[in-house]
Amino acid sequence: AQSVTQLGSHVSVSEGALVLLRCNYSSSVPPYLFWYVQYPNQGLQLLLKYTSAATLVKGINGFEAEFKKSETSFHLTKPSAHMSDAAEYFCAVGYSGYSTLTFGKGTMLLVSP
Amino acid sequence: DVKVTQSSRYLVKRTGEKVFLECVQDMDHENMFWYRQDPGLGLRLIYFSYDVKMKEKGDIPEGYSVSREKKERFSLILESASTNQTSMYLCASTPRRQGTYNEQFFGPGTRLTVL
Repeated sequence: AQSVTQLGSHVSVSEGALVLLRCNYSSSVPPYLFWYVQYPNQGLQLLLKYTSAATLVKGINGFEAEFKKSETSFHLTKPSAHMSDAAEYFCAVGYSGYSTLTFGKGTMLLVSP
Repeated sequence: DVKVTQSSRYLVKRTGEKVFLECVQDMDHENMFWYRQDPGLGLRLIYFSYDVKMKEKGDIPEGYSVSREKKERFSLILESASTNQTSMYLCASTPRRQGTYNEQFFGPGTRLTVL
């Protein structure tokens, strides 16, 4: 069964600092990978997705993620954090032919001034 | 834009009540999902449906049932609500396309409190 591990339930950064949120997956077949963001009391919004095209994927709000097959990782980065980036971030994995996604437990990003 | 709506943002019910959570999507998606979200546990799949009148159990179906009578609507039913079902419930939908996987589109969530 596939699984997703997000390292760190909480990550704190200062405004303007690099954001790095880690995601590792377990899989024996090529995955589709997603990052979602959830602002307080809202549903999940897609940030970006990897679907076997370019390994470096650019998303909304200046975020990007790199698929590294050898490391089974799909870490999310942003060069400079804004206060508005404070939210919870979820990594998820899916597979062609299957309807469901498996989500990580989420990482809460805290941004201080 | 894809729109997924949920009938209530906040709901308070009493133990033992029958609870209906409604989800509607307007993009003719085949697949629909119900998740519950709890702090530290992420999203856990309760049920999903890949077509009208079809349903599949997810990871935590106990205490829940679902109904899909129309393609656009997927209902989650708590037959007899219990306090351990207090949670945030999220509905999602996605189209079914051969050879690829599309992202799921989420509703705003229903925060259910069972007293």
